[in-house]
Amino acid sequence: NAGVTQTPKFRILKIGQSMTLQCAQDMNHNYMYWYRQDPGMGLKLIYYSVGAGITDKGEVPNGYNVSRSTTEDFPLRLELAAPSQTSVYFCATSTGGGYGYTFGSGTRLTVV
Amino acid sequence: GENVEQHPSTLSVQEGDSAVIKCTYSDSASNYFPWYKQELGKRPQLIIDIRSNVGEKKDQRIAVTLNKTAKHFSLHITETQPEDSAVYFCAASILKVYTGNQFYFGTGTSLTVIP
Repeated sequence: NAGVTQTPKFRILKIGQSMTLQCAQDMNHNYMYWYRQDPGMGLKLIYYSVGAGITDKGEVPNGYNVSRSTTEDFPLRLELAAPSQTSVYFCATSTGGGYGYTFGSGTRLTVV
Repeated sequence: GENVEQHPSTLSVQEGDSAVIKCTYSDSASNYFPWYKQELGKRPQLIIDIRSNVGEKKDQRIAVTLNKTAKHFSLHITETQPEDSAVYFCAASILKVYTGNQFYFGTGTSLTVIP
């Protein structure tokens, strides 16, 4: 039982490049979320999904896209990387209904 | 949307003393308040949570109190130990069946327990 798995753990991108951050879970949770964490700041919600085929924007969605074709996977896509997207990205899952999140181990992304 | 403020941003205490971290929220509809502990370079881990129908909850050395009228909630750690050193985040959420529970996080408190 791996929980929530994020890949890669670290990545350096050049401005304008694209990449996909992967998030996979084996807990059969319906709800999945992408957050970014900037130094000295709390976590900000980028996108979330309440089930396969359903996604919606969070607080800071600009510059990102997501898809949810299966319950298990929730990839986050950066199309044209910008320095402002340098951050640590966390994927999280929950069962909903008033329970806390289970977080992945994070992806540290640097855009230069 | 919801706005969560957290204080203090840094806190140093002597081992064995108590630590208190406070958060306020703006949306009176928020009804679920988790607290997360994040050690350096690690993922946030849920340590305790409280729902709006409860005023206080305890789990060993950790307790959370909620004042719905004033819209604030606090984390209390007693008999602090060096392993309590970490960044602590509060969050507020409005539980909705069809949108899950989107959390609005505070900016974190870096707690250092001095041996």
